[in-house]
Amino acid sequence: AQSVTQPDIHITVSEGASLELRCNYSYGATPYLFWYVQSPGQGLQLLLKYFSGDTLVQGIKGFEAEFKRSQSSFNLRKPSVHWSDAAEYFCAVGAYNQGGKLIFGQGTELSVKP
Amino acid sequence: GAGVSQSPSNKVTEKGKDVELRCDPISGHTALYWYRQRLGQGLEFLIYFQGNSAPDKSGLPSDRFSAERTGESVSTLTIQRTQQEDSAVYLCASSLAGQGIDEQFFGPGTRLTVL
Repeated sequence: AQSVTQPDIHITVSEGASLELRCNYSYGATPYLFWYVQSPGQGLQLLLKYFSGDTLVQGIKGFEAEFKRSQSSFNLRKPSVHWSDAAEYFCAVGAYNQGGKLIFGQGTELSVKP
Repeated sequence: GAGVSQSPSNKVTEKGKDVELRCDPISGHTALYWYRQRLGQGLEFLIYFQGNSAPDKSGLPSDRFSAERTGESVSTLTIQRTQQEDSAVYLCASSLAGQGIDEQFFGPGTRLTVL
């Protein structure tokens, strides 16, 4: 069965510092991988996704993620964090034959200090 | 509006009562999904519609939960005889074709509180 693990429940970084949020997945074939962000009072918004090709994908708001098959990971990165990036981040995995059903990780809450 | 809408935004009910939650997907989106998000948790998949049929109901927690979709548009999630453990935010999403790689667009959710 598919599963997603986000090992860090809460991370605090200083504004301007770099960020890496970890995501590990379990799936037998090549998965479809997603990162969503949930800001307070707002719905979930897709940051980026991966399904094939270049393993480094670029997303919105300056985020990127790298798919590493050997490590079953899809970590999210940003070189310089802004205070507006404070939010909850969710990694999710899907599959080509499951109609778009997504399995989500538990989420990582990001706090940004001035 | 062009986005996914859900109603009500908040619902407080007493244990044992039935509740109905509504989702209006983006026009033209054939796939519709329901998820549940308990406090401090990730999203749990409940059910997926392709058109008006539900090929995957595997996430529904019990037979107290049911959902339907009519006219390839509006969907209703019904919870009968609510229990306190049903308290959560219920999120609806839609996507264009229900392909694995399609982006899902999420609504703002319905916060359900069972007293």
